[in-house]
Amino acid sequence: DAGVTQSPTHLIKTRGQQVTLRCSPKSGHDTVSWYQQALGQGPQFIFQYYEEEERQRGNFPDRFSGHQFPNYSSELNVNALLLGDSALYLCASSPTTSGGTTSSTDTQYFGPGTRLTVL
Amino acid sequence: RKEVEQDPGPFNVPEGATVAFNCTYSNSASQSFFWYRQDCRKEPKLLMSVYSSGNEDGRFTAQLNRASQYISLLIRDSKLSDSATYLCVVNLYGGSQGNLIFGKGTKLSVKP
Repeated sequence: DAGVTQSPTHLIKTRGQQVTLRCSPKSGHDTVSWYQQALGQGPQFIFQYYEEEERQRGNFPDRFSGHQFPNYSSELNVNALLLGDSALYLCASSPTTSGGTTSSTDTQYFGPGTRLTVL
Repeated sequence: RKEVEQDPGPFNVPEGATVAFNCTYSNSASQSFFWYRQDCRKEPKLLMSVYSSGNEDGRFTAQLNRASQYISLLIRDSKLSDSATYLCVVNLYGGSQGNLIFGKGTKLSVKP
């Protein structure tokens, strides 16, 4: 059973460029969340996608956008990169039971992340 | 006040020691609670969910005190392989909905 996968593993960009990161959720999961983890910090929530729509968004600027495809995979796009965008970008997937609810014991499972360096 | 606060660490302990991590959260409406483990330069992995009744998984015991908004993790008989950063995580929603709110993490180093 494949877990959450992300690509690419590493990426180096320069300020002002744009980047697209990709995520495939764990089999059976239909909800995808994205997190940014700066060095020495806990992950910070960017947004969550469910049924191809952004269901919830954290405190990130509009430069951060996303998309979810019918097969539940997702992309994170960041425009006009800043030095401060250098971080580990984590994708997490989770299941939703019928009716759009979840079990209290469910949680989110993370992919290996994409390490973005902005020079 | 940060939403989730943890002991700053690092904790350096010998093999076989018992170590306890503490965590407090600010939003009393929080619904679900977890401990994740993160190895260096890897993704966070779920260690265990935390319930008000307390729960145990082998050498690991987690406790939740909703009245005090306090979460704890106890590791008994520490192993070298327990060396990692332990992240306290809170969710305003039950289960997998909503966003996970992470503490900064507490680094544990278990020495021979």
